[in-house]
Amino acid sequence: GAGVSQSPSNKVTEKGKDVELRCDPISGHTALYWYRQSLGQGLEFLIYFQGNSAPDKSGLPSDRFSAERTGGSVSTLTIQRTQQEDSAVYLCASSSSNMNTEAFFGQGTRLTVV
Amino acid sequence: AQSVTQLGSHVSVSEGALVLLRCNYSSSVPPYLFWYVQYPNQGLQLLLKYTSAATLVKGINGFEAEFKKSETSFHLTKPSAHMSDAAEYFCAVTKAAGNKLTFGGGTRVLVKP
Repeated sequence: GAGVSQSPSNKVTEKGKDVELRCDPISGHTALYWYRQSLGQGLEFLIYFQGNSAPDKSGLPSDRFSAERTGGSVSTLTIQRTQQEDSAVYLCASSSSNMNTEAFFGQGTRLTVV
Repeated sequence: AQSVTQLGSHVSVSEGALVLLRCNYSSSVPPYLFWYVQYPNQGLQLLLKYTSAATLVKGINGFEAEFKKSETSFHLTKPSAHMSDAAEYFCAVTKAAGNKLTFGGGTRVLVKP
């Protein structure tokens, strides 16, 4: 596609339920990133994929969070047993592996845990 | 470790006035620096980037930023604010192309008519 696509755009879930957030990066981009944007914490890095591998998972806040990427393309961020503090906007970005290229961001998924 | 500090979480400017958003960074290696803008309910859009070429970087929508190594700064300016500039602006740093970004806390700009 022309840009990074994320779905759903909004998700309301009950505390304790699992959620899956999807990111479809720009075609041909090998690098994919997940970030979280919340009122108290600002923009935080979660995980980075290069191809299907995740060399940097250092930002995942707990073992309830996991992510995978298949076919070097679509990525899914899964949050198990959601808590209210998981409420945030989850942003996905992708970039090519060339030098001097920037990350392009999707519009995000707004997650509300009630 | 890298960090980014944006002075002022909120800035109010009059239409036509200078916009100045401050960003200071710390990095153990020569950094790549970025300014992103976020409009309400939107993702982040790149305004400009510094990648060790010219220290004065021109971006979209009339914005520019100057990399000053001695001051570890990368302040964003625009000579004349437009109403459409009302948004939140984020400064970010990374140590290499393709690495994760570390963001500042953001500065929300309000433009008064």
